Amino acid sequence: RKEVEQDPGPFNVPEGATVAFNCTYSNSASQSFFWYRQDCRKEPKLLMSVYSSGNEDGRFTAQLNRASQYISLLIRDSKLSDSATYLCVVNAGTNAGKSTFGDGTTLTVKP
Amino acid sequence: DGGITQSPKYLFRKEGQNVTLSCEQNLNHDAMYWYRQDPGQGLRLIYYSQIVNDFQKGDIAEGYSVSREKKESFPLTVTSAQKNPTAFYLCASTDGGDYNEQFFGPGTRLTVL
Repeated sequence: RKEVEQDPGPFNVPEGATVAFNCTYSNSASQSFFWYRQDCRKEPKLLMSVYSSGNEDGRFTAQLNRASQYISLLIRDSKLSDSATYLCVVNAGTNAGKSTFGDGTTLTVKP
Repeated sequence: DGGITQSPKYLFRKEGQNVTLSCEQNLNHDAMYWYRQDPGQGLRLIYYSQIVNDFQKGDIAEGYSVSREKKESFPLTVTSAQKNPTAFYLCASTDGGDYNEQFFGPGTRLTVL
């Protein structure tokens, strides 16, 4: 079993749709959690950190459920520009900044 | 502008050759990382360094070597011992610790001919 697992998709949705991605992690000692966005053939960039209380940034909402060891990302009112691969990232809490990346979920938003 | 640079963007290598990928950052970050990404997969950690003159193996270090002689530089050598080196290589840096964002360079695409 992988340390961080994501539904690979692809998710194909129309503009304006709401889409949710889930990510599960196996290390219960994990301390910090992130969603990164990666465009085709580009480097990943931070989309948002994920806090225990949940956090929202515009159309994006991230949630963390420590008891069930999963993280979610909700995108509302999808735009064409949201088309990308979304990577779930988990840090183990060793203070080395070592991150474990999921394989990513691919989203395509269509007109 | 602060950031991370990687060179070259594309690199072609013959089997049996060693190649060195460059990574430079001017963010004054202590920690630097090398990842490998294969098509349809996430990033896998090759090596990381938390401080100058110190580095640790990641999950897939075999066939790779690094050095960290300067804070701003963390070059990666792909040796002939790496059996399947064709991949997208990404360098990243962070202020350290587990709660900080990792900043990535634009990557190097290595192809073995």
